Amino acid sequence: DQQVKQNSPSLSVQEGRISILNCDYTNSMFDYFLWYKKYPAEGPTFLISISSIKDKNEDGRFTVFLNKSAKHLSLHIVPSQPGDSAVYFCAASPPTGGSYIPTFGRGTSLIVHP
Amino acid sequence: DAGVTQSPTHLIKTRGQQVTLRCSPKSGHDTVSWYQQALGQGPQFIFQYYEEEERQRGNFPDRFSGHQFPNYSSELNVNALLLGDSALYLCASSPPGTDTQYFGPGTRLTVL
Repeated sequence: DQQVKQNSPSLSVQEGRISILNCDYTNSMFDYFLWYKKYPAEGPTFLISISSIKDKNEDGRFTVFLNKSAKHLSLHIVPSQPGDSAVYFCAASPPTGGSYIPTFGRGTSLIVHP
Repeated sequence: DAGVTQSPTHLIKTRGQQVTLRCSPKSGHDTVSWYQQALGQGPQFIFQYYEEEERQRGNFPDRFSGHQFPNYSSELNVNALLLGDSALYLCASSPPGTDTQYFGPGTRLTVL
């Protein structure tokens, strides 16, 4: 049973428009959420995170929104650029008392067209 | 400053064999985690090493074992390989006092 779900395998967006990537989770113990970006032949790169005490975190063009009651988070990229084309993984971790251990979704492949 | 490095890049083994994968963390990082990423899936946590001890472990059988050396580099060993062990194996390191994980490019293991 997947605890972190990314139901859209792919998303296609025009350059300059907004990209919205969605993620749902089932484990109510999760309290720390992350987004990673992965290019082919490279490892995932940390993008942005959010703690369960917040409902929004912003970093430049990237904003993550958390809706705890719906167990849903989303990543907004505005404006989208062709270099944003990559696979985006949503991940979530419960409190561990030490270094977090994320559970990953299956990823969403974002393609930004020039 | 080199990032996380992993060797080898690709590896082909047959069922029943044993394999060792290697990881060198970023300079200054003391925690190393290993993940398995099967085709079409997200990375799945195998275990984490800190101060040469296994600190946490995911839902993987004992065929998967690891080691961390005094210089913080790490090895992942898999015994009695199964076809289902074919995957990309990712290593991630973290600096002291933070949770941000920096991933290497991975080792692609194919079991025939």
